Amino acid sequence: KNQVEQSPQSLIILEGKNCTLQCNYTVSPFSNLRWYKQDTGRGPVSLTIMTFSENTKSNGRYTATLDADTKQSSLHITASQLSDSASYICVPHGGATNKLIFGTGTLLAVQP
Amino acid sequence: GAGVSQSPSNKVTEKGKDVELRCDPISGHTALYWYRQRLGQGLEFLIYFQGNSAPDKSGLPSDRFSAERTGESVSTLTIQRTQQEDSAVYLCASSGRAGMGTTNEKLFFGSGTQLSVL
Repeated sequence: KNQVEQSPQSLIILEGKNCTLQCNYTVSPFSNLRWYKQDTGRGPVSLTIMTFSENTKSNGRYTATLDADTKQSSLHITASQLSDSASYICVPHGGATNKLIFGTGTLLAVQP
Repeated sequence: GAGVSQSPSNKVTEKGKDVELRCDPISGHTALYWYRQRLGQGLEFLIYFQGNSAPDKSGLPSDRFSAERTGESVSTLTIQRTQQEDSAVYLCASSGRAGMGTTNEKLFFGSGTQLSVL
């Protein structure tokens, strides 16, 4: 059962433009949702972590939103830079387990 | 060290050989994870260690895979009789004691070991 669906699968934008990545999840019970950035050839790096009671959280030019009722989250990137080119992975967490279920993410390419 | 360190960064082996991958977690981190990432795929959970508790081995794909951890430090992932389907990046991550249910804990990843089985 696929617990995380991200869209789009891939995206190309021009440097300086904004973009929004979507995440739908079915994890239940739900405790928190994390967004990770994975550069090519590197391990993922945490961007934001939100609990079910938080609607939005920012980290620099990255702003994540969460609607725990509809089980949807988004990651908005403002004024994109070439270094934003990476995979962005939504990771919902729930229950007593410490395992994190990673989806395939959205592959973002920022072009000059 | 400053971050999670994995070695080797690249490993090429022949089908049927055994390989051993090493992970040095961040000092003081009690939790250690191994993930596998095939080309173009998401991260696949393999095994989780937390302090002296019995490890969660539920993600190991077959009995050819095993992992050990010495106390709260180094971990090794061993793959016996490697197959071509084992080719992937093997990522190690570590975190503190509180666990993924809290927002205080982040998972810190190493850069991985790229394993190629010919």
